[in-house]
Amino acid sequence: GAGVSQSPSNKVTEKGKDVELRCDPISGHTALYWYRQSLGQGLEFLIYFQGNSAPDKSGLPSDRFSAERTGGSVSTLTIQRTQQEDSAVYLCASSFIPREQFFGPGTRLTVL
Amino acid sequence: ELKVEQNPLFLSMQEGKNYTIYCNYSTTSDRLYWYRQDPGKSLESLFVLLSNGAVKQEGRLMASLDTKARLSTLHITAAVHDLSATYFCAVSNTDKLIFGTGTRLQVFP
Repeated sequence: GAGVSQSPSNKVTEKGKDVELRCDPISGHTALYWYRQSLGQGLEFLIYFQGNSAPDKSGLPSDRFSAERTGGSVSTLTIQRTQQEDSAVYLCASSFIPREQFFGPGTRLTVL
Repeated sequence: ELKVEQNPLFLSMQEGKNYTIYCNYSTTSDRLYWYRQDPGKSLESLFVLLSNGAVKQEGRLMASLDTKARLSTLHITAAVHDLSATYFCAVSNTDKLIFGTGTRLQVFP
């Protein structure tokens, strides 16, 4: 079945470069979430989109991080001027509020 | 601020034994989730618990919720190797999830 998909699956970049991570949610799901999983910090919430409401950006760690969701579907998480501490697995999830969240396979980001 | 504590962090179990993973959270929440994660994989939803006293079972796993104690448990019955994975509890806070630290479970013969 069509689950949450993310691309790329792996991304290696140099410190200081910008990266874009993409998430395609499950069709019909109104809510989309980004989380980050790293060894030091565990699983952390980053940002949440629900319908046409203003996104909840309370988990973004710095102003280098931003995300948008176009047409209520696909989302892109952008990290500008990447730092080594940004290395992590970035997970996207979607749900039909207020139900359980279904997670994508993640993008493993490595900043050299 | 909502905090979620999970213990133990690591659990090594012999096949056939029973054990319980504990998940405590600091403030009222409307729902609690349990997820499983295999190495290098994403999160797989196991249970969603919505109300006080809720109990759900799937195979050898049973989850329960006590909202008054702000405690959820994941009980493993007669463990088998296929249950080896990392288990996370997560509490809903205005729809975003706050995760516990995870419990890495290893089941050996």
